Amino acid sequence: QSALTQPPSASGSPGQSVTISCTGTRSDVGRYNDLSWYQQHPSEVPKLIIYGVNRRPSGVPDRFSGSKSGNAASLTISGLQVEDEADYYCSSYAGNDKLIFGGGTRLTVL
Amino acid sequence: EVRLVESGGGLVQPGGSLGLSCATSGFNFGDTGMTWVRQAPGKGLQWVSGISYNGRAIGYADSVKGRFTISRDDSKNIVYLYMHDLRVDDTAFYFCARDGPAWSRPDWGQGTLVTVSS
Repeated sequence: QSALTQPPSASGSPGQSVTISCTGTRSDVGRYNDLSWYQQHPSEVPKLIIYGVNRRPSGVPDRFSGSKSGNAASLTISGLQVEDEADYYCSSYAGNDKLIFGGGTRLTVL
Repeated sequence: EVRLVESGGGLVQPGGSLGLSCATSGFNFGDTGMTWVRQAPGKGLQWVSGISYNGRAIGYADSVKGRFTISRDDSKNIVYLYMHDLRVDDTAFYFCARDGPAWSRPDWGQGTLVTVSS
């Protein structure tokens, strides 16, 4: 089980948009729409921000959006805010009752 | 309010065993799958194991299969993770999480730290 591939870092200025990629295979991201994104601030627990590729849980701002094409998914944060600075993880169902996470992307808001 | 509270972490020697518990409240536990996820200090998230709402579907990460066992007690609303033959690289914060739609994990506990060291 290899982790999904994410860039280790990303950055943007307040007000800008940033996109974080998450690449898997045809056995996980490419096969299932069970794709989620989590935000984790330092010393805090992960928070679900996107599920089912592009659905937002209640309370998550619509600045956060998700998409998927083939074996790759993306998280886009528009109108960056200072509080968006955090680690972001994607996850996907991988079949056979298994879940896999991406390696994580540290977002810096400059 | 959904609450997940892990316990049982601590220091254990390589080759040792440890049992974690996750006490839950605020949702219908008997209708909900549960998951254990771990995070080594300063590292990323790693799915460890999951159990379906009825206990019939169980999955393990390859790195823990054969050493870890997940179970649930619906009468107590608790999910367990029994860990045997622990290795140094099992050192991590262990979180329990409630299963949500589309294999998401909408609610997480605060985690319990397992340290495997001699």
